[in-house]
Amino acid sequence: DTGVSQNPRHKITKRGQNVTFRCDPISEHNRLYWYRQTLGQGPEFLTYFQNEAQLEKSRLLSDRFSAERPKGSFSTLEIQRTEQGDSAMYLCASSLAPDSPLHFGNGTRLTVT
Amino acid sequence: AQSVAQPEDQVNVAEGNPLTVKCTYSVSGNPYLFWYVQYPNRGLQFLLKYITGDNLVKGSYGFEAEFNKSQTSFHLKKPSALVSDSALYFCAVRQGYGGATNKLIFGTGTLLAVQP
Repeated sequence: DTGVSQNPRHKITKRGQNVTFRCDPISEHNRLYWYRQTLGQGPEFLTYFQNEAQLEKSRLLSDRFSAERPKGSFSTLEIQRTEQGDSAMYLCASSLAPDSPLHFGNGTRLTVT
Repeated sequence: AQSVAQPEDQVNVAEGNPLTVKCTYSVSGNPYLFWYVQYPNRGLQFLLKYITGDNLVKGSYGFEAEFNKSQTSFHLKKPSALVSDSALYFCAVRQGYGGATNKLIFGTGTLLAVQP
């Protein structure tokens, strides 16, 4: 179990630029989640994949956000035309089954200037 | 809709004393309940879960939690706090087996501060 890996750890970008984050889940986990966490708040659900299928999306995920998991392994989260309000920690998690705990990566901290 | 409430932003306790971090939830059907801990600039670490069965569940680092269906609560407890327990604690809930959604919903977190 090598854990969930997220890259990069930190990203600073200028408003209007596009950014992409990567998540490598635990290898045998078929369920993958993206969350966003702002200071002083709990993680907010963004989207959920089972294998390569994106089965749930939050209304928080505006048209500028897109997530993919092309081969049911790693996943990417892209934010287009970033805004200052997108500044947050983006967390990825994976799990094996509905009653299994989520295993979280250490997150990607995005700062939009 | 699912929701979780953690009514205390911060809990202060002296080392060696028992601690309780409160959580109440709302969900359709039977809940799956979880507690996570977060240290600064890190992801969340799983502590314990309630799926079914015994209402008292034991988890990592000496923590336990009691599921109370009538009060829709899942409070986190530890008999004797350590300074190293100081961290941010999150309660989370999702719909149980057969539920329409796979979302795990988190509370806003409770900062536990253990004084030496």
